[in-house]
Amino acid sequence: QKEVEQDPGPLSVPEGAIVSLNCTYSNSAFQYFMWYRQYSRKGPELLMYTYSSGNKEDGRFTAQVDKSSKYISLFIRDSQPSDSATYLCATIIQGAQKLVFGQGTRLTINP
Amino acid sequence: EPEVTQTPSHQVTQMGQEVILRCVPISNHLYFYWYRQILGQKVEFLVSFYNNEISEKSEIFDDQFSVERPDGSNFTLKIRSTKLEDSAMYFCASSERGPLGIDTQYFGPGTRLTVL
Repeated sequence: QKEVEQDPGPLSVPEGAIVSLNCTYSNSAFQYFMWYRQYSRKGPELLMYTYSSGNKEDGRFTAQVDKSSKYISLFIRDSQPSDSATYLCATIIQGAQKLVFGQGTRLTINP
Repeated sequence: EPEVTQTPSHQVTQMGQEVILRCVPISNHLYFYWYRQILGQKVEFLVSFYNNEISEKSEIFDDQFSVERPDGSNFTLKIRSTKLEDSAMYFCASSERGPLGIDTQYFGPGTRLTVL
């Protein structure tokens, strides 16, 4: 069983739409969850991180974690063409060093 | 804003040759990492480094790989005898441990390694 699963897409939506990106994970020991954005041939850029179940909001971005179902989501409101990128979910066990990444979802926002 | 830098951006080498990939982590960070991403695949953890020693490594990080912090600013990854399957993007990351023991890792732009 893969540790973190993420639909690779591609996902294409019109500008202004609400985007929902999702991951599932298998290990209950994962406690800390991150979303990274990666533009083509660039390094992952940290967008948001959260520790507990519930929602965390930052501008147009909302991260949601449901530990009971081992489900992670990222919502993007009022999506812009500049949001076009690959979005990677990642998780880590507290005290460990190794980030475990999902496959990444390639997102395109069409003007 | 402080950032992780990596050089070179692209390295081409012949199979069997040694390569050294270089990174300058964020200056007040104490934890350093290497990850790699083979084209079309997940970002994979290779190794973490703290207090001048390896603290965790993956099964990918075999005897062909080594890491070093040769001075107060650089962090390097050496591949002794490159194989075709080492072709990938290599990302350096750094972090400072937070109060919950959780590391928020910041990544560099990557070095694209091509082994011919």
